[in-house]
Amino acid sequence: GESVGLHLPTLSVQEGDNSIINCAYSNSASDYFIWYKQESGKGPQFIIDIRSNMDKRQGQRVTVLLNKTVKHLSLQIAATQPGDSAVYFCAGTNTGGFKTIFGAGTRLFVKA
Amino acid sequence: DAGITQSPRHKVTETGTPVTLRCHQTENHRYMYWYRQDPGHGLRLIHYSYGVKDTDKGEVSDGYSVSRSKTEDFLLTLESATSSQTSVYFCAISGGLAGPGGSTDTQYFGPGTRLTVL
Repeated sequence: GESVGLHLPTLSVQEGDNSIINCAYSNSASDYFIWYKQESGKGPQFIIDIRSNMDKRQGQRVTVLLNKTVKHLSLQIAATQPGDSAVYFCAGTNTGGFKTIFGAGTRLFVKA
Repeated sequence: DAGITQSPRHKVTETGTPVTLRCHQTENHRYMYWYRQDPGHGLRLIHYSYGVKDTDKGEVSDGYSVSRSKTEDFLLTLESATSSQTSVYFCAISGGLAGPGGSTDTQYFGPGTRLTVL
């Protein structure tokens, strides 16, 4: 069935290092992808998105890369800070559709 | 939380009792969603609404019903709560003017309701 999965359940990085969180998707019809950040006890918060006609998009300290050939996307966080500690989800959907598939999440730990 | 509130934020109830969760938005977004989040699972869609009085089922709709009588409110009802419905419930909205996400497809989430069914 359709899925959006993450390669690792947890990721631990040193403060100041770059973090890379990976995600694979199975639905070729997905043309819009979103990364969310979820802190403990809160709802998912939008970080950055990318459409399938792009392979890279940059935000503030974050970059999303999309490889449609292998159905893979990644979230890169530059100069990771303690405030980045959270669970990160990828999600995939098709434009105008209601079926957004969410990954289970990767928990990012930032060591001081 | 993008102008989305959920109530109650926490609830403990007993098996067999009815429970209603409320989602309220001030963003005038067209679409609203109810998800549940459980350990080891991603967010799973329960029901969604594409307009006032227009709703449809998601992937885990059994045991749940919804209603949307106003643009701003989306109610989720557990007619007879079971222990398997213990979960954290999130409301989401989409379909407003393109915001930071640059897309009306971007879903924005509320703070969640933690429901425990004993």
